Parts: sequence; C-alpha cells; structure tokens
Amino acid sequence: QVQLVQSEIEVKQPGASVKVSCKVSGYTFTDYYMHWVRQAPGQGLEWMGWINPKSGGTKYAQKFQGGVTMTRDTSISTAYMELSRLTSDDTAVYYCARGSRVAGIRFPSDYWGQGTLVTVSS
Amino acid sequence: DIQMTQSPSSLSASVGDRVTITCRASQGITNYLAWFQQKPGKVPKLLIYAASTLQSGVPSRFSGSGSGTDFTLTISSLQPEDVATYYCQKYDDAPRTFGQGTRLEIK
Repeated sequence: QVQLVQSEIEVKQPGASVKVSCKVSGYTFTDYYMHWVRQAPGQGLEWMGWINPKSGGTKYAQKFQGGVTMTRDTSISTAYMELSRLTSDDTAVYYCARGSRVAGIRFPSDYWGQGTLVTVSS
Repeated sequence: DIQMTQSPSSLSASVGDRVTITCRASQGITNYLAWFQQKPGKVPKLLIYAASTLQSGVPSRFSGSGSGTDFTLTISSLQPEDVATYYCQKYDDAPRTFGQGTRLEIK
C-alpha cells in the first residue's frame, strides 16, 4: 500500500533552517509529483510547492521563493523540503502529499504523509 | 494568482440535515477542483476531484458540483462522523491554492 512517512518533530531557533524528509513506499517514487503543504496552528492549509522526482524540477509558491528548497534522492525514494531563515511564523505542521502522475493528467493529492511539526522558538 | 473563497467559514447543522458548502474561484478553473476533509488532529483526506467525482471509499452522501468559478460540496444527510473542516483546492496549475476552510459542527 502507498505510504508517505515523514521525519519527526523539529524544534529550531529563529534564523535557523529545517529539512523535513518524506520517504515513500508502495509506488514508484519518480512516477508522481510530490507536493508540500503546511498548516500553522489553528489555521488552514497552505500549498508551498512541488517537485518532479524524475527530473528534480520544482515550482514554488511565490511566498516561499527564495526561502524553500525542495529536493529528492531517488535512490531511497525520499523527498525533502528545506526552509531557511526560520521565524515564528514558520511554526506549523508540514505535510508531503503525492500529486499528479508525471506527464499524466492533473490530479489532486490523494496520499499524504503524517505531518511533521516544526516549532520555531528561542 | 487565482484566489479561492469558501463560504460559510463555519456552520452548525443537525444530524440528518442537508449541508452545502460553496467555493468560488477568482478566475475560471474548468473542473480542476478538489474537496478535502480534515478531522481534528488528522491528515487531510481527499473526498472529491474533478469537481464532482467521488474518491474511492468516500460515502455516497458526499457530492460535488460546479464548473468554471463556482463549486459546491453537499452532504445529503449529515452524520456525526462528518464533523471536520472542509477545504476546496484548485489544481489546474500552480499555485494549488486552498480555500480558507469551512468548519462543520453538529448542533
């Protein structure tokens, strides 16, 4: 069965960076886009961007351009999301979520990771 | 960027009621519209895609309609387990913007 397993809770100081991982199983990692979505405490869902695991190509929401980097390691079927220059506003649960098939029809995220809580505090 | 606006932001209804949530896109997105359900403390779950297609395993009391800019999620007979926040999301192109969410409670 399809599974997306994310790294554990992170606590960071303001100004630091955080790198969240998302290891997939149950499907071919390079066949589907991977999206990242975050949710601040008590707030709604915010789409951050996607990575094409096959090519490594990325697309980021304008708000996160210059601050987020999405990468992947195809040898271990794992996607990464790194957020730099953290502030308290970045305190949130970060989700990875499988997207459309690469070169396939557009499709929303049908499988999600369990979420990674990132807390930014001094 | 296209904005997604949901209404209402919250609603309270009785078990068995018919519930409707609307989502409006600031520009046309044809039918590239999905609905998600998020129960407290849980991961979002895909309910509907292509505006009206029920994801596998989702109860038939859920339905979706609309095209272009105006979309609707309907629960035909509200059940206690439907307490959740519901989000629409456009997926025609990046950014895949979400609506702000609708919190649904039982009266």
